[in-house]
Amino acid sequence: EAGVVQSPRYKIIEKKQPVAFWCNPISGHNTLYWYLQNLGQGPELLIRYENEEAVDDSQLPKDRFSAERLKGVDSTLKIQPAELGDSAVYLCASSGDSLTGELFFGEGSRLTVL
Amino acid sequence: KQEVTQIPAALSVPEGENLVLNCSFTDSAIYNLQWFRQDPGKGLTSLLLIQSSQREQTSGRLNASLDKSSGRSTLYIAASQPGDSATYLCAVPSGGYNKLIFGAGTRLAVHP
Repeated sequence: EAGVVQSPRYKIIEKKQPVAFWCNPISGHNTLYWYLQNLGQGPELLIRYENEEAVDDSQLPKDRFSAERLKGVDSTLKIQPAELGDSAVYLCASSGDSLTGELFFGEGSRLTVL
Repeated sequence: KQEVTQIPAALSVPEGENLVLNCSFTDSAIYNLQWFRQDPGKGLTSLLLIQSSQREQTSGRLNASLDKSSGRSTLYIAASQPGDSATYLCAVPSGGYNKLIFGAGTRLAVHP
């Protein structure tokens, strides 16, 4: 069974440019999460989806970040325009049970903004 | 507000040692606690999930315990190997569902 798949693994852009990250969760997992991980820290939640609905986006900086999960499967996280402080690893995770289920993470997308 | 602390921040041990990683959390009203491993430049790999009704979980050389009342969990690694070198993170849910709050991790180095 395939795990959580993310792309691209690495992205280098100049500030003010847009960038998008893609995530394909484990088959059958209705809950999808995007986390942000800064160097030397634990991940922090950006947004959680139940199927196609964003049920918790309270920590997503909505002025420049957006996300979508059309059809309740794949998801895309976009930043426009990117700032220097956005340099981090963006992790996608999925779970079969949003209440008590185990989370499974992808390899992450490492963003460097110059 | 749930806060998670991991001690020590870094640990270097010779191969073969048994070791304990500590995790503490401020809000004991949790459904479960999860331990992850993260290799450099990689994502998180789930190691153990302990439900709130359980006291411990074991997987191979790993044993995780949970004491909700004191807000603590420990990850015990037996007979450490160089391949165990990684960062170990614990996480607990917050906000009434599985929104994980992570500690900053313990960076483990096992040298031959």
